[in-house]
Amino acid sequence: ETGVTQTPRHLVMGMTNKKSLKCEQHLGHNAMYWYKQSAKKPLELMFVYSLEERVENNSVPSRFSPECPNSSHLFLHLHTLQPEDSALYLCASSPRTVTYGYTFGSGTRLTVV
Amino acid sequence: ELKVEQNPLFLSMQEGKNYTIYCNYSTTSDRLYWYRQDPGKSLESLFVLLSNGAVKQEGRLMASLDTKARLSTLHITAAVHDLSATYFCAVDNFGNEKLTFGTGTRLTIIP
Repeated sequence: ETGVTQTPRHLVMGMTNKKSLKCEQHLGHNAMYWYKQSAKKPLELMFVYSLEERVENNSVPSRFSPECPNSSHLFLHLHTLQPEDSALYLCASSPRTVTYGYTFGSGTRLTVV
Repeated sequence: ELKVEQNPLFLSMQEGKNYTIYCNYSTTSDRLYWYRQDPGKSLESLFVLLSNGAVKQEGRLMASLDTKARLSTLHITAAVHDLSATYFCAVDNFGNEKLTFGTGTRLTIIP
């Protein structure tokens, strides 16, 4: 257990469904991130939240909608996804000091059918 | 745009041998990170390199950073099966805590 918890671990959803991914950290970090990991591609940064404000939206389609209600929680709301959105979605947090880098959660394996 | 390249992408090596994974990046940065990922698992932090010439060692792994050459290396000494995993380097993009990751090196240690 890294201190960053993601739920669910696995998710299968149809293209017309709406679902949410949850990330929780109690490390006292004040920056949180969503990354997408697809087969044969580098990790892609999707969103960055710093002190609960979104500071990065890396050209992500609007069918992905992040939410950060407080510094400990981060959500990724999903709707009308495409099969190519199937991937491992990783949440990470950092204290915004350079010494430690990121702490990653275990990820949510998403399959869109 | 910051680009981070790793090579090789795949590495199969025998137990007991030594090898090096290379990480090149395209713009100035003096902060580089190495992570390990086991199949189906998350990324585990291995090393944080924060200055030119930094060298860190943990067990059979040693990482170094040359910011002038924009190059980091991850050296494996006397490999054992437990080191089989995918290794990623990541570079801090202009000091704003947004990490750009390399493509990863999938390492397989053969008995």
